[in-house]
Amino acid sequence: QVVLLESGPGLVRPSETLSLTCTVSGDTINSGDSSWVWFRQPPGKGLEWLGHIFSARSAYYNPSLGRRVAILAGPSEFSLKLTSATAADSAVYYCAREDSTFESHWGRGIRVTVSS
Amino acid sequence: EIVLTQSPDFQSVTPGKTVIITCRASQSLGTSLHWFQQKPDQAPKLLIKYASQSISGVPSRFSGSGSGTEFTLAINGLESEDAAAYYCHQSGTLPRTFGQGTKLDIK
Repeated sequence: QVVLLESGPGLVRPSETLSLTCTVSGDTINSGDSSWVWFRQPPGKGLEWLGHIFSARSAYYNPSLGRRVAILAGPSEFSLKLTSATAADSAVYYCAREDSTFESHWGRGIRVTVSS
Repeated sequence: EIVLTQSPDFQSVTPGKTVIITCRASQSLGTSLHWFQQKPDQAPKLLIKYASQSISGVPSRFSGSGSGTEFTLAINGLESEDAAAYYCHQSGTLPRTFGQGTKLDIK
């Protein structure tokens, strides 16, 4: 049973870096052919794919985030870093694992507010 | 990027009825289109993958069909627990994108 849990600060100051970690149990990130994904959902709005990392090495990002985003992976956790945060980055952030057949497991999400 | 447009945005249906949600893509996706259900304050849950493939543990009243640019999610015999937002999502082309969502209310 794969379990994912997001952690990080719930409040980020504008212009600072939003950093979140997804801790994984029941699987290892650098084994197999799963993708490790970050999504977000602003309050009252729809879902947005932020990016994913594959085989702990190859990362792909949503161009809408420009060069602000990075996803890094270790053996049992992967992280999201979003620089120069603004109020528009306030959202619930979800991490997820997708296997090669698109079966997915999601974390429960973490709410992040960007505000001074 | 591929734009996914869902219809309707909102629907209110009585229990036992059937509802159809449509997702149209701005470019052909083959069958790389998936459906999620999201209840308030919960993470999205995968209902259907690759347009029509069922997911273990998901009730059989949920079914999907379509290919190319037009897809549908059907929910037969609606139950009160089906009240939720439903999103289509494409994984065929990066960046991956979602439809705007359909909110389903059970009367």
